Amino acid sequence: QKEVEQDPGPLSVPEGAIVSLNCTYSNSAFQYFMWYRQYSRKGPELLMYTYSSGNKEDGRFTAQVDKSSKYISLFIRDSQPSDSATYLCASTGNTGFQKLVFGTGTRLLVSP
Amino acid sequence: DTGVSQDPRHKITKRGQNVTFRCDPISEHNRLYWYRQTLGQGPEFLTYFQNEAQLEKSRLLSDRFSAERPKGSFSTLEIQRTEQGDSAMYLCASSLDEGGDYGYTFGSGTRLTVV
Repeated sequence: QKEVEQDPGPLSVPEGAIVSLNCTYSNSAFQYFMWYRQYSRKGPELLMYTYSSGNKEDGRFTAQVDKSSKYISLFIRDSQPSDSATYLCASTGNTGFQKLVFGTGTRLLVSP
Repeated sequence: DTGVSQDPRHKITKRGQNVTFRCDPISEHNRLYWYRQTLGQGPEFLTYFQNEAQLEKSRLLSDRFSAERPKGSFSTLEIQRTEQGDSAMYLCASSLDEGGDYGYTFGSGTRLTVV
C-alpha cells in the first residue's frame, strides 16, 4: 500500500464548477500537507500547504486536512479551463521537507 | 532570479550509455533535491543535499546513480550503464531551511528516454 493514495482520474468538469480533489494517507507521522499543480511537460508548482489539521484558503482554492481520518482535500471554486492540469498531493513528517511523499496525481479537465 | 534550471530538457540515450544531468537551484536556497517521475505517477524522492552534504539517499538510488553538489551550488545527477527502466522525468527542486520557505520550487525536469 502506498503511503499517499490518490485517484488518478481523469476528472472532467464544466467551467464554473466546484472541483473536489482528495487524497488519503497512511503514515501517522505526516504533519505537513501540500498540493502541487503540474502542467504537461512542466515541474510541479506549489499551490498550498497546511500544517496538521484544518482549513486554508487562497483565492479560489481551499485545502482541508482531517488527521483523524487521514484525509486531504483541495477544493477549487469557479473552475477555469486554465485549471486543467494534474494535481498532486504530498505529505511529509515533522522533520520538515527533506522528503516529500507524493500521490499519483489526479488529472483535471475543465471544459469551456 | 529565474527559478530552478535543469539541463538538458530532453535526453535520448542508448542502453548502456552514461548520462549526466545538471540542476541550478534558486541562488539563496541551501537545500537541493532530486526526484524521479514516471508516466502516470507522482514524483519519487531520490536524494537531497544540505549545502554540499548529501544527507539522504533513497533505496531507489542504485549503485549506478550518483549525485554531487560541489561547493553547495549546482548539482549533477549521473546514471551509469543506463537501462530502459531508467526512462523517466528527473526533477530537481530547491528550498530554504525549515524555518524559511515551506515547500519546494521544482524545475521543469529532464526527460530521459533510454532506447
